[in-house]
Amino acid sequence: KAGVTQTPRYLIKTRGQQVTLSCSPISGHRSVSWYQQTPGQGLQFLFEYFSETQRNKGNFPGRFSGRQFSNSRSEMNVSTLELGDSALYLCASSLVARASYNEQFFGPGTRLTVL
Amino acid sequence: EDQVTQSPEALRLQEGESSSLNCSYTVSGLRGLFWYRQDPGKGPEFLFTLYSAGEEKEKERLKATLTKKESFLHITAPKPEDSATYLCAVQAGTGTASKLTFGTGTRLQVTL
Repeated sequence: KAGVTQTPRYLIKTRGQQVTLSCSPISGHRSVSWYQQTPGQGLQFLFEYFSETQRNKGNFPGRFSGRQFSNSRSEMNVSTLELGDSALYLCASSLVARASYNEQFFGPGTRLTVL
Repeated sequence: EDQVTQSPEALRLQEGESSSLNCSYTVSGLRGLFWYRQDPGKGPEFLFTLYSAGEEKEKERLKATLTKKESFLHITAPKPEDSATYLCAVQAGTGTASKLTFGTGTRLQVTL
């Protein structure tokens, strides 16, 4: 079974631009979560989507948004990029058949550099 | 607010020298505690899920245990390929929402 895939793997943008990152979950997984990883803050939860609905959101500004499509694929968007948005953005998928089956499996991440 | 603290921040072991990593947590209604391994430049790799105090799980040289306040990842006779950052995360609350709260990790280096 193929794992979680994320595209692109690397991105370089300049301040003020916007960016869209894509995530394809493991086949059959219905939940997609996004995390930001930086050396100073570690892994921080951005948001979770399930059945095309955002059902959980972390403490990030409104510049960070996302969506999920009917095939469970997800995108996240960051508008008006700031230098501090430079990070590894990780997508994780989980089955969510029952509460006890919430193991999350991560993709390789997208490394975003903002200049 | 859910909190996860991992110690030590970094650990250097010689091959074959067993040790333990600690993860202490404060959550309201623990649903699961997760251990991940992360290699540089890669996404976290799932290792274990623990659901209730007293539970233990093993995989090769790794064994994870859980109490009501902390979890330990025991590494027995480590090899250089075990070098990585080990992350602990908790999932709390009711329902099936999947948010994970992570600790900052323990960087493990195993030398010959």
